[in-house]
Amino acid sequence: AQRVTQPEKLLSVFKGAPVELKCNYSYSGSPELFWYVQYSRQRLQLLLRHISRESIKGFTADLNKGETSFHLKKPFAQEEDSAMYYCALSGHSFQKLVFGTGTRLLVSP
Amino acid sequence: GAGVSQSPSNKVTEKGKDVELRCDPISGHTALYWYRQRLGQGLEFLIYFQGNSAPDKSGLPSDRFSAERTGESVSTLTIQRTQQEDSAVYLCASSSLGSTDTQYFGPGTRLTVL
Repeated sequence: AQRVTQPEKLLSVFKGAPVELKCNYSYSGSPELFWYVQYSRQRLQLLLRHISRESIKGFTADLNKGETSFHLKKPFAQEEDSAMYYCALSGHSFQKLVFGTGTRLLVSP
Repeated sequence: GAGVSQSPSNKVTEKGKDVELRCDPISGHTALYWYRQRLGQGLEFLIYFQGNSAPDKSGLPSDRFSAERTGESVSTLTIQRTQQEDSAVYLCASSSLGSTDTQYFGPGTRLTVL
Protein backbone atom coordinates (compact mmCIF):
# COMPACT_ATOMS: atom_id res chain seq x y z
CA ALA A 1 0.00 0.00 0.00
CA GLN A 2 1.10 3.53 -0.66
CA ARG A 3 1.54 5.61 2.45
CA VAL A 4 3.23 8.87 3.43
CA THR A 5 4.04 9.62 7.06
CA GLN A 6 4.85 13.03 8.45
CA PRO A 7 5.44 12.43 12.15
CA GLU A 8 5.40 16.05 13.28
CA LYS A 9 2.17 18.05 13.28
CA LEU A 10 3.99 21.20 14.33
CA LEU A 11 7.59 22.34 14.08
CA SER A 12 8.50 25.61 15.73
CA VAL A 13 11.91 27.21 15.21
CA PHE A 14 13.55 30.62 15.49
CA LYS A 15 14.56 32.65 12.47
CA GLY A 16 17.97 31.60 11.23
CA ALA A 17 17.78 28.12 12.72
CA PRO A 18 18.05 25.01 10.53
CA VAL A 19 14.84 23.23 9.63
CA GLU A 20 14.15 19.61 8.79
CA LEU A 21 10.62 18.43 8.08
CA LYS A 22 10.47 14.67 8.12
CA CYS A 23 8.74 12.49 5.55
CA ASN A 24 8.78 8.72 5.27
CA TYR A 25 6.99 6.72 2.65
CA SER A 26 5.86 3.21 1.87
CA TYR A 27 5.72 2.13 -1.76
CA SER A 28 6.62 -1.09 -3.49
CA GLY A 29 8.08 0.45 -6.66
CA SER A 30 9.98 3.62 -7.48
CA PRO A 31 7.79 6.54 -6.49
CA GLU A 32 7.96 10.16 -7.41
CA LEU A 33 8.17 12.32 -4.29
CA PHE A 34 6.97 15.88 -3.85
CA TRP A 35 6.74 18.60 -1.25
CA TYR A 36 3.72 20.89 -1.44
CA VAL A 37 3.31 24.06 0.62
CA GLN A 38 0.28 26.07 1.66
CA TYR A 39 0.91 29.60 2.93
CA SER A 40 -1.74 31.37 4.97
CA ARG A 41 -4.83 32.15 2.86
CA GLN A 42 -3.21 30.78 -0.29
CA ARG A 43 -3.81 27.63 -2.27
CA LEU A 44 -1.69 24.51 -2.12
CA GLN A 45 1.30 24.74 -4.45
CA LEU A 46 4.25 22.60 -5.44
CA LEU A 47 7.47 23.46 -3.62
CA LEU A 48 9.79 20.87 -5.12
CA ARG A 49 9.99 17.36 -6.53
CA HIS A 50 12.80 14.88 -6.20
CA ILE A 51 13.37 14.30 -9.90
CA SER A 52 14.15 17.98 -10.39
CA ARG A 53 16.99 17.90 -7.86
CA GLU A 54 16.63 21.64 -7.40
CA SER A 55 16.59 24.03 -4.49
CA ILE A 56 13.51 26.20 -4.15
CA LYS A 57 13.45 29.11 -1.69
CA GLY A 58 16.51 27.58 -0.08
CA PHE A 59 14.77 24.24 0.56
CA THR A 60 16.20 20.93 -0.60
CA ALA A 61 15.03 17.36 -0.23
CA ASP A 62 16.95 14.19 -0.94
CA LEU A 63 15.29 10.90 -1.68
CA ASN A 64 16.81 8.16 0.48
CA LYS A 65 15.52 4.87 -0.88
CA GLY A 66 17.25 2.83 1.82
CA GLU A 67 15.46 4.71 4.59
CA THR A 68 12.40 5.41 2.42
CA SER A 69 12.62 9.05 3.40
CA PHE A 70 12.32 12.41 1.66
CA HIS A 71 13.02 14.94 4.38
CA LEU A 72 12.78 18.65 3.56
CA LYS A 73 15.65 20.80 4.78
CA LYS A 74 16.65 24.42 4.92
CA PRO A 75 19.82 25.64 6.62
CA PHE A 76 18.46 29.01 7.79
CA ALA A 77 14.72 29.40 8.31
CA GLN A 78 12.98 32.68 7.50
CA GLU A 79 9.72 34.02 8.94
CA GLU A 80 8.12 33.83 5.50
CA ASP A 81 8.69 30.07 5.51
CA SER A 82 5.89 29.70 8.06
CA ALA A 83 3.28 27.53 6.35
CA MET A 84 1.78 24.07 6.14
CA TYR A 85 4.01 21.57 4.35
CA TYR A 86 2.76 18.34 2.81
CA CYS A 87 4.87 15.48 1.54
CA ALA A 88 3.30 13.46 -1.28
CA LEU A 89 4.09 10.59 -3.60
CA SER A 90 2.81 9.19 -6.85
CA GLY A 91 3.51 5.94 -8.62
CA HIS A 92 4.38 7.67 -11.87
CA SER A 93 3.44 10.67 -13.94
CA PHE A 94 -0.19 11.69 -14.14
CA GLN A 95 -1.32 9.59 -11.28
CA LYS A 96 -3.01 10.44 -8.01
CA LEU A 97 -0.96 11.94 -5.24
CA VAL A 98 -0.89 10.27 -1.85
CA PHE A 99 -0.39 12.92 0.82
CA GLY A 100 0.92 12.92 4.35
CA THR A 101 -1.04 14.67 7.07
CA GLY A 102 1.16 17.74 6.89
CA THR A 103 3.53 19.61 9.20
CA ARG A 104 2.91 23.18 10.25
CA LEU A 105 6.17 25.12 10.34
CA LEU A 106 6.25 28.21 12.53
CA VAL A 107 9.30 30.44 12.30
CA SER A 108 9.52 33.01 15.07
CA PRO A 109 11.57 36.21 14.94
CA GLY B 1 -3.87 32.95 -17.40
CA ALA B 2 -6.26 32.09 -14.60
CA GLY B 3 -5.52 29.20 -12.31
CA VAL B 4 -7.87 26.43 -11.26
CA SER B 5 -11.12 27.84 -9.94
CA GLN B 6 -13.74 26.18 -7.77
CA SER B 7 -17.25 27.10 -6.77
CA PRO B 8 -18.80 27.65 -4.37
CA SER B 9 -16.03 28.58 -1.96
CA ASN B 10 -18.25 27.61 0.96
CA LYS B 11 -21.31 25.41 1.13
CA VAL B 12 -23.45 24.68 4.15
CA THR B 13 -26.10 22.04 3.73
CA GLU B 14 -28.39 19.88 5.79
CA LYS B 15 -27.83 16.19 6.27
CA GLY B 16 -29.57 14.22 3.54
CA LYS B 17 -29.42 16.93 0.88
CA ASP B 18 -27.48 16.60 -2.38
CA VAL B 19 -24.65 19.00 -3.25
CA GLU B 20 -22.73 19.81 -6.42
CA LEU B 21 -19.23 21.20 -6.40
CA ARG B 22 -17.69 22.67 -9.51
CA CYS B 23 -14.12 22.82 -10.79
CA ASP B 24 -12.78 24.81 -13.74
CA PRO B 25 -9.30 23.55 -14.59
CA ILE B 26 -6.54 25.50 -16.27
CA SER B 27 -7.32 25.75 -19.97
CA GLY B 28 -5.61 22.99 -21.94
CA HIS B 29 -4.94 20.76 -18.95
CA THR B 30 -5.89 17.22 -19.83
CA ALA B 31 -5.82 15.76 -16.32
CA LEU B 32 -8.17 16.71 -13.49
CA TYR B 33 -8.15 15.40 -9.92
CA TRP B 34 -10.47 15.69 -6.94
CA TYR B 35 -9.19 15.38 -3.38
CA ARG B 36 -10.84 15.70 0.02
CA GLN B 37 -9.29 17.09 3.17
CA ARG B 38 -10.99 16.44 6.45
CA LEU B 39 -10.05 18.53 9.46
CA GLY B 40 -6.61 17.57 10.77
CA GLN B 41 -6.00 15.03 8.04
CA GLY B 42 -4.05 14.89 4.82
CA LEU B 43 -5.56 15.10 1.38
CA GLU B 44 -7.41 11.99 0.23
CA PHE B 45 -7.62 11.18 -3.46
CA LEU B 46 -11.17 10.82 -4.77
CA ILE B 47 -11.22 10.62 -8.56
CA TYR B 48 -9.00 11.37 -11.57
CA PHE B 49 -9.89 12.21 -15.19
CA GLN B 50 -7.34 12.03 -18.02
CA GLY B 51 -8.47 13.06 -21.48
CA ASN B 52 -10.98 10.62 -22.94
CA SER B 53 -9.86 7.69 -20.82
CA ALA B 54 -12.16 6.09 -18.26
CA PRO B 55 -11.82 7.95 -14.96
CA ASP B 56 -10.00 6.42 -12.00
CA LYS B 57 -12.75 6.29 -9.39
CA SER B 58 -10.81 4.20 -6.90
CA GLY B 59 -10.82 6.87 -4.21
CA LEU B 60 -14.56 7.55 -4.08
CA PRO B 61 -15.62 6.60 -0.53
CA SER B 62 -19.15 5.46 -1.35
CA ASP B 63 -21.71 5.30 -4.14
CA ARG B 64 -23.12 8.58 -2.87
CA PHE B 65 -20.13 10.26 -4.52
CA SER B 66 -19.90 10.74 -8.27
CA ALA B 67 -18.12 13.07 -10.66
CA GLU B 68 -18.36 14.06 -14.28
CA ARG B 69 -16.15 15.96 -16.62
CA THR B 70 -17.20 17.62 -19.84
CA GLY B 71 -14.44 16.99 -22.38
CA GLU B 72 -11.29 18.58 -21.05
CA SER B 73 -13.04 21.34 -19.18
CA VAL B 74 -15.38 21.69 -16.24
CA SER B 75 -15.88 18.94 -13.71
CA THR B 76 -18.68 18.51 -11.19
CA LEU B 77 -18.42 16.46 -8.01
CA THR B 78 -21.82 15.40 -6.70
CA ILE B 79 -22.49 14.10 -3.21
CA GLN B 80 -25.93 12.63 -2.69
CA ARG B 81 -27.69 12.31 0.65
CA THR B 82 -24.90 14.13 2.44
CA GLN B 83 -23.75 12.93 5.85
CA GLN B 84 -21.92 14.84 8.57
CA GLU B 85 -18.74 12.89 7.85
CA ASP B 86 -18.74 14.42 4.36
CA SER B 87 -17.81 17.77 5.91
CA ALA B 88 -14.40 18.65 4.51
CA VAL B 89 -12.56 20.87 2.08
CA TYR B 90 -12.84 19.50 -1.44
CA LEU B 91 -9.87 20.36 -3.63
CA CYS B 92 -9.56 20.15 -7.38
CA ALA B 93 -6.28 20.06 -9.29
CA SER B 94 -5.32 19.94 -12.96
CA SER B 95 -2.17 19.11 -14.85
CA SER B 96 -0.85 18.53 -18.34
CA LEU B 97 2.24 17.32 -20.16
CA GLY B 98 3.11 20.94 -20.81
CA SER B 99 3.37 21.57 -17.09
CA THR B 100 5.56 18.51 -16.52
CA ASP B 101 2.51 16.96 -14.83
CA THR B 102 2.74 19.28 -11.86
CA GLN B 103 -0.69 19.39 -10.25
CA TYR B 104 -2.07 22.89 -9.84
CA PHE B 105 -4.64 23.21 -7.09
CA GLY B 106 -7.76 25.29 -6.80
CA PRO B 107 -8.74 27.18 -3.64
CA GLY B 108 -11.12 24.46 -2.54
CA THR B 109 -14.76 24.28 -1.51
CA ARG B 110 -15.43 24.05 2.21
CA LEU B 111 -18.46 21.81 2.72
CA THR B 112 -20.25 21.77 6.06
CA VAL B 113 -23.03 19.26 6.61
CA LEU B 114 -25.25 20.13 9.57
